[in-house]
Amino acid sequence: NAGVTQTPKFQVLKTGQSMTLQCAQDMNHEYMSWYRQDPGMGLRLIHYSVGAGITDQGEVPNGYNVSRSTTEDFPLRLLSAAPSQTSVYFCASSPRTSGRVEQYFGPGTRLTVT
Amino acid sequence: LAKTTQPISMDSYEGQEVNITCSHNNIATNDYITWYQQFPSQGPRFIIQGYKTKVTNEVASLFIPADRKSSTLSLPRVSLSDTAVYYCLVGDTHQGSSNTGKLIFGQGTTLQVKP
Repeated sequence: NAGVTQTPKFQVLKTGQSMTLQCAQDMNHEYMSWYRQDPGMGLRLIHYSVGAGITDQGEVPNGYNVSRSTTEDFPLRLLSAAPSQTSVYFCASSPRTSGRVEQYFGPGTRLTVT
Repeated sequence: LAKTTQPISMDSYEGQEVNITCSHNNIATNDYITWYQQFPSQGPRFIIQGYKTKVTNEVASLFIPADRKSSTLSLPRVSLSDTAVYYCLVGDTHQGSSNTGKLIFGQGTTLQVKP
């Protein structure tokens, strides 16, 4: 199993540009999520999904969209990039089972918005 | 929201036992408590998970009192390679169910192990 994969690893955007961060998992996990981590800070939940076709907002959803058309993929779309979105983005998945929240994280995407 | 509170930082020396305590007063009945470790430039890595009393694996032990409002991660005989940020995580209770899926990380504890 490849686990959780994220592409690209690095990205530089100009203010106002849009892009999609890709996340895929091959473990047939129901739960997937996106976090952002600013330098020296903890992780903040952006969006999450408890299954295909179901998504919901986390702590900091503004400026981001998600969709979950398949179990494997959970892309994160930046609508109009802003310098405040400069961060490292982590995708995670979990085999949710009644409260068990063990998550497997991808390697991250480092995004810089100029 | 189920919030967790941890010390911002801790220092230790190689070979010592380290205990990091996390407070989670609003933990839901069905919620598990999970601890993660994060090294710089990497995603968090699962360490241990428990529901009540004590759980032990090859890496750490997790102590949870009967009221489950706190938990303590115990790292035996730490080494320099244990220098990392440690996060405590429980499910969100805001909507009254652990199955809502909103899993919030706290700010984490930065552990510095010195030689």
